[in-house]
Amino acid sequence: GAVVSQHPSWVICKSGTSVKIECRSLDFQATTMFWYRQFPKQSLMLMATSNEGSKATYEQGVEKDKFLINHASLTLSTLTVTSAHPEDSSFYICSASIDSVPNSPLHFGNGTRLTVT
Amino acid sequence: SQQGEEDPQALSIQEGENATMNCSYKTSINNLQWYRQNSGRGLVHLILIRSNEREKHSGRLRVTLDTSKKSSSLLITASRAADTASYFCATNQWTSGSRLTFGEGTQLTVNP
Repeated sequence: GAVVSQHPSWVICKSGTSVKIECRSLDFQATTMFWYRQFPKQSLMLMATSNEGSKATYEQGVEKDKFLINHASLTLSTLTVTSAHPEDSSFYICSASIDSVPNSPLHFGNGTRLTVT
Repeated sequence: SQQGEEDPQALSIQEGENATMNCSYKTSINNLQWYRQNSGRGLVHLILIRSNEREKHSGRLRVTLDTSKKSSSLLITASRAADTASYFCATNQWTSGSRLTFGEGTQLTVNP
């Protein structure tokens, strides 16, 4: 149980285009999901907390107009990288916590490798 | 920003040996969790230890927590080549819901 599906697993796009990444909790409801960015051989950097039915909470230094987050249902959050540039190339990972189990561990998607050419 | 620091940054051992990774943090916590990440993949939860616990075991894993020193350790006994991965500690604070702050990670290589 507690599976998080992230799609796509990799994407290559041209500079200036937008890319949408989906994060779905397959067998549980998740009011809260998290989006991270990870550079090679580094730790996860929290970008934003996605809240179902309300605006996302962005970490300091993360441009909310560039990284659009939509959490329209209890099982789906999307991250859209708008007007992508080569410096946006990175590994993006989502995670979700189970609503019905307080203080439970996070469940992670398998990540999306974004390459902007 | 990451509040956790882990050491060593990289660890290379032989199969059958034990691997110990350490994690330090800066603020009061609700719980501390350890995760594993295989290259190019998401994170997998290994073990959660609450602030009022001092030691926890799960199979070949042993985690300790010293809240007075704000530190934790993860011990993997009888390591296997399949244990090769990056290991991250993550802290959860009382006021942050399920939000986690990750350490810098330890890259473990287990040589067959």
